[in-house]
Amino acid sequence: EAGVTQFPSHSVIEKGQTVTLRCDPISGHDNLYWYRRVMGKEIKFLLHFVKESKQDESGMPNNRFLAERTGGTYSTLKVQPAELEDSGVYFCASSLAEGGYEKLFFGSGTQLSVL
Amino acid sequence: DAKTTQPNSMESNEEEPVHLPCNHSTISGTDYIHWYRQLPSQGPEYVIHGLTSNVNNRMASLAIAEDRKSSTLILHRATLRDAAVYYCILKGVSNSGYALNFGKGTSLLVTP
Repeated sequence: EAGVTQFPSHSVIEKGQTVTLRCDPISGHDNLYWYRRVMGKEIKFLLHFVKESKQDESGMPNNRFLAERTGGTYSTLKVQPAELEDSGVYFCASSLAEGGYEKLFFGSGTQLSVL
Repeated sequence: DAKTTQPNSMESNEEEPVHLPCNHSTISGTDYIHWYRQLPSQGPEYVIHGLTSNVNNRMASLAIAEDRKSSTLILHRATLRDAAVYYCILKGVSNSGYALNFGKGTSLLVTP
């Protein structure tokens, strides 16, 4: 069974440009999460989808970040325009259900460098 | 959100057991105790979780104190591939849903 896949694995862009990250969750997982680690900081929650609906987007840093999950399958996270402080590793995770007992499966992440 | 406290780092010899402690004195009755680890250049990986009773799986064991205010992740025989940052996380309903709060974790060094 395929795990959570993220694309691209690395992205280098200039400040002011737009970047779109993609996440394909494990098939059948209704719950999809985005997390990120910026340089020297802890891994932080960004948002949570249940199918195509945003369940919780309390961790999104500002309106330059837009997440979508078309048809409840894959998800994209767009940063427009990118700023230097957006550099970091963006992780996607999925789970079968939502609950304290549910475990999350993470992708390998996208390393974003904004120059 | 209930917080956890872990040592910043620990060191172990290969093929010896490792006990990684975690304090969570403000845990609520509905919080599950989860452990994840992050190997270099990889995403976090689920290790184990429990609620009240001790748990075993193929990766590790989780020992939970009777008052649930602390827990210990046990790697029975550490290998070089176990070198990672280990996160003890409380997962329960909060104002952020079931979002994981990773914290700083414990960096485990395994030496041959």
